[in-house]
Amino acid sequence: AQSVTQLDSHVSVSEGTPVLLRCNYSSSYSPSLFWYVQHPNKGLQLLLKYTSAATLVKGINGFEAEFKKSETSFHLTKPSAHMSDAAEYFCVVSGGGADGLTFGKGTHLIIQP
Amino acid sequence: DTEVTQTPKHLVMGMTNKKSLKCEQHMGHRAMYWYKQKAKKPPELMFVYSYEKLSINESVPSRFSPECPNSSLLNLHLHALQPEDSALYLCASRTVIAGGPLAFSGANVLTFGAGSRLTVL
Repeated sequence: AQSVTQLDSHVSVSEGTPVLLRCNYSSSYSPSLFWYVQHPNKGLQLLLKYTSAATLVKGINGFEAEFKKSETSFHLTKPSAHMSDAAEYFCVVSGGGADGLTFGKGTHLIIQP
Repeated sequence: DTEVTQTPKHLVMGMTNKKSLKCEQHMGHRAMYWYKQKAKKPPELMFVYSYEKLSINESVPSRFSPECPNSSLLNLHLHALQPEDSALYLCASRTVIAGGPLAFSGANVLTFGAGSRLTVL
């Protein structure tokens, strides 16, 4: 069975400092993994995806994530936070849901000026 | 800019009204989805259409009625809603790959619309 755990419901960082949003997954096979971002009152936008190719995945807006099978993790990072990064972030794993996806509960990223 | 267009962006309706939400995409995607999202929660699946046929209905009350008139359009008809139905309604689409409608890979990720914010008074 598939599951995904976003370890922090809220993360607060200062502008210009690194961002780390943590995601652990459980899957009975080699999954596809995704990070989506949602700004207030907007839809979900794909940040990046892992599809069993390179384990370090680069996405839009300077974000990247590393797939670590041994740790069953897919943490999202960015070297330097910008005010526009303030949003809700969802880690998603393929499989498990009726739509073929399992969503994490989300991490709310706050950027302090 | 999103390639999935949802209208209206905002809708306020009474419990006796009939209204519709609309979704349109021109990416050639043959799977289309309706999700409901409450504040600070992940999206919850409502319906999935695959090749214009309803393939998944997640036990949604009959006051929500989906319709897929063609491969580019998806509607959600609303009637006799309750205040607890107030939420952001998201449409999404993707291609269908060889593994079937539940198979995902990097080639067929979900593309979401900006959503329709529904308030039921």
